[in-house]
Amino acid sequence: GAVVSQHPSWVICKSGTSVKIECRSLDFQATTMFWYRQFPKQSLMLMATSNEGSKATYEQGVEKDKFLINHASLTLSTLTVTSAHPEDSSFYICSANREGRDTEAFFGQGTRLTVV
Amino acid sequence: DAKTTQPPSMDCAEGRAANLPCNHSTISGNEYVYWYRQIHSQGPQYIIHGLKNNETNEMASLIITEDRKSSTLILPHATLRDTAVYYCLPYNTDKLIFGTGTRLQVFP
Repeated sequence: GAVVSQHPSWVICKSGTSVKIECRSLDFQATTMFWYRQFPKQSLMLMATSNEGSKATYEQGVEKDKFLINHASLTLSTLTVTSAHPEDSSFYICSANREGRDTEAFFGQGTRLTVV
Repeated sequence: DAKTTQPPSMDCAEGRAANLPCNHSTISGNEYVYWYRQIHSQGPQYIIHGLKNNETNEMASLIITEDRKSSTLILPHATLRDTAVYYCLPYNTDKLIFGTGTRLQVFP
């Protein structure tokens, strides 16, 4: 199957700093990528849709100025958590659509963010 | 967005078949039924998908009712490594919206 890679797998940062998470589709091009957040014992919550070459579309209640998304190429989307606070600590997961006869979403391994 | 209903948890003995049901009564005619699973602290893993015919691959079988309002994922011989949260999602080419899923616990 296709591979989507996230980096880093885990990160610890201080309150007030910014953290960038990368999502790469390694063996296919993805015009659309998605970013999710998952709190312990909860399901994945969609944060935003990342579109190559255009602005991201954010879900209701997600602050676009706090969670900056850039999709500058067909294989890379980045999520930057700005001015991180402890409540931003979560598991962040990206997915990329491989489009074909049946569009299929492939997920990264996730990034565990801890803000101290 | 179509909603799904899945039992919150199920148990299965190792080596036995695990049958995971899902109700998706509001699924649109052009939406596929996708199944993913998530093992603890990992990204979701694709299992199988179908439109209206039953499907089988090396991981599982998918049975979709004729009216497409429900489906069942079958893991024919569950192993301990199949312990995970299983999600059923109606999906076409838009975004994947996850419900609460079924936590499957496979025991020895």
